[in-house]
Amino acid sequence: DVKVTQSSRYLVKRTGEKVFLECVQDMDHENMFWYRQDPGLGLRLIYFSYDVKMKEKGDIPEGYSVSREKKERFSLILESASTNQTSMYLCASSSDGLVGEQFFGPGTRLTVL
Amino acid sequence: AQTVTQSQPEMSVQEAETVTLSCTYDTSESDYYLFWYKQPPSRQMILVIRQEAYKQQNATENRFSVNFQKAAKSFSLKISDSQLGDAAMYFCAYNGTGTASKLTFGTGTRLQVTL
Repeated sequence: DVKVTQSSRYLVKRTGEKVFLECVQDMDHENMFWYRQDPGLGLRLIYFSYDVKMKEKGDIPEGYSVSREKKERFSLILESASTNQTSMYLCASSSDGLVGEQFFGPGTRLTVL
Repeated sequence: AQTVTQSQPEMSVQEAETVTLSCTYDTSESDYYLFWYKQPPSRQMILVIRQEAYKQQNATENRFSVNFQKAAKSFSLKISDSQLGDAAMYFCAYNGTGTASKLTFGTGTRLQVTL
């Protein structure tokens, strides 16, 4: 089974802190994604990566950056956390061979105080 | 840009009954994929069913089936013989060709299953 893990289930940070969210997948997938999930807004794509060291902006990249130094790991960075970044963050991965089928991690619920 | 609309924020169904969740989308592409994903409470999101736009036959996976109307840009999910374990958020999603498996999601429908 594909496994996508995220470093924390719950995280509480203060405004202005630098926040790292880590995601690891174990199926050698080419593509990795970061979404945020908010009630009534569904999932919105922040960034995605289709190869090591490659990244593309999604629909809401402002205030975020990403890093993919190894194929299995995709990090989301909040350079200076703000209260409007309080949300559920979901990581996903997919293979080029299975169009659109993404495998999701359990999510990180981030609260910024 | 593609958009996906789920107009039912919440639905309820009795156990063993059938329920249909609605989804419409907007695209100018002729070839694409559509999906329904399920997110159970406090559990990971999983793929329920997939439909390729060039296939006229509606996809079916056990108790889950879709009604794909390409001209109307409609993609509804039917759950037959509903079970308590079907209670979840359901998201409709769109993937265009050549977009590195990037998905556009709808806002979701929360399904309650009652006894």
